[in-house]
Amino acid sequence: GESVGLHLPTLSVQEGDNSIINCAYSNSASDYFIWYKQESGKGPQFIIDIRSNMDKRQGQRVTVLLNKTVKHLSLQIAATQPGDSAVYFCADAGPLSGSARQLTFGSGTQLTVLP
Amino acid sequence: NAGVTQTPKFRILKIGQSMTLQCTQDMNHNYMYWYRQDPGMGLKLIYYSVGAGITDKGEVPNGYNVSRSTTEDFPLRLELAAPSQTSVYFCASSSEGKEKLFFGSGTQLSVL
Repeated sequence: GESVGLHLPTLSVQEGDNSIINCAYSNSASDYFIWYKQESGKGPQFIIDIRSNMDKRQGQRVTVLLNKTVKHLSLQIAATQPGDSAVYFCADAGPLSGSARQLTFGSGTQLTVLP
Repeated sequence: NAGVTQTPKFRILKIGQSMTLQCTQDMNHNYMYWYRQDPGMGLKLIYYSVGAGITDKGEVPNGYNVSRSTTEDFPLRLELAAPSQTSVYFCASSSEGKEKLFFGSGTQLSVL
């Protein structure tokens, strides 16, 4: 079946460095992707999204890149801070009904920011 | 503004017991969802609702039931708890025309 997967289960970076978290998807018809951050004991928190008609989108300290040719996304976090330590998920947001979306999540990357 | 609120935060059940996980949102969102998250895994959709009185199955609905009598509330019912239902359950909501989901803080359920 269709799936979403992350390349590395863990990533450690020095505070102040940039972080890059990668994700691959298998459904070539996917048209909308979302990155979520999940801190321990909390629900997923929306970070940034991107549609398939774009190849790059920027937010505050975050950038998402989409390469549809190889079905790959990446999340870049600039100047990583201790508060960025969390598990990061990419999700393929497939259609359900109207604007309701079914999220197919990858297994997540645990980002640890080292002092 | 509380957002999406789930209760309880933790629960231990014996095999065969039943319980209801509560979810309420105060953002007047049309769409509500129940996901489960197994250790080290992403979330899987159990059930969803596009409005009061309307519910539909997601990817893993077996062993669960839902109802949506009001816009605000979307309870998830486990009738005969099984060890395979040990998981963390997240409720989420989103509004018409906007695909961004807002998640609650989760209910950790253990079935022993």
